[in-house]
Amino acid sequence: GESVGLHLPTLSVQEGDNSIINCAYSNSASDYFIWYKQESGKGPQFIIDIRSNMDKRQGQRVTVLLNKTVKHLSLQIAATQPGDSAVYFCAETTPGRQLTFGSGTQLTVLP
Amino acid sequence: GAVVSQHPSRVICKSGTSVKIECRSLDFQATTMFWYRQFPKQSLMLMATSNEGSKATYEQGVEKDKFLINHASLTLSTLTVTSAHPEDSSFYICSADPSTSGGPDEQFFGPGTRLTVL
Repeated sequence: GESVGLHLPTLSVQEGDNSIINCAYSNSASDYFIWYKQESGKGPQFIIDIRSNMDKRQGQRVTVLLNKTVKHLSLQIAATQPGDSAVYFCAETTPGRQLTFGSGTQLTVLP
Repeated sequence: GAVVSQHPSRVICKSGTSVKIECRSLDFQATTMFWYRQFPKQSLMLMATSNEGSKATYEQGVEKDKFLINHASLTLSTLTVTSAHPEDSSFYICSADPSTSGGPDEQFFGPGTRLTVL
């Protein structure tokens, strides 16, 4: 999901299917990227990170892909579960270490 | 894992009053803490970087006299919204960076504070 104005992009998937959430970043100097999950009324929760010297990293049920050429980041969630429903944010850091958040994608898992 | 707490979790106040929000790192020390603001259905926007023992660094457009930040110890940073107005109503989230290496590292986020100004 790409950001458009102030509206959160949404993604709906069937329970058990795989989810792919996309993020475009703008700063070519960013060297560290993180995906966060935010449930309603809560703070962001770390999911997975990747440094700029890598193009893929896997965790438990999640995979992050980084394409520096087109400044694109994606989060893949395998076998999506109802508990995965949340807003997902990508974030990037510059060498100055400020964390910049993307606009977020609302993931809804359908029963 | 590293835990960051915020207090209060939600606060309702009258217009013109001041509100203090605390951010604590419970099991680690944080030289640097960050304060974010999040409006409904929007992303987190960095307001300021709080450095222990020195003045906070504010992002462009954030009034330092309105949003007072104090980072008096390695485990506590406070954000005071002075003379709050309804447009200050938002979700305020802090994060803490346990790293002393100077390189890019994960930040640990607090649960957020919902501020409603009547």
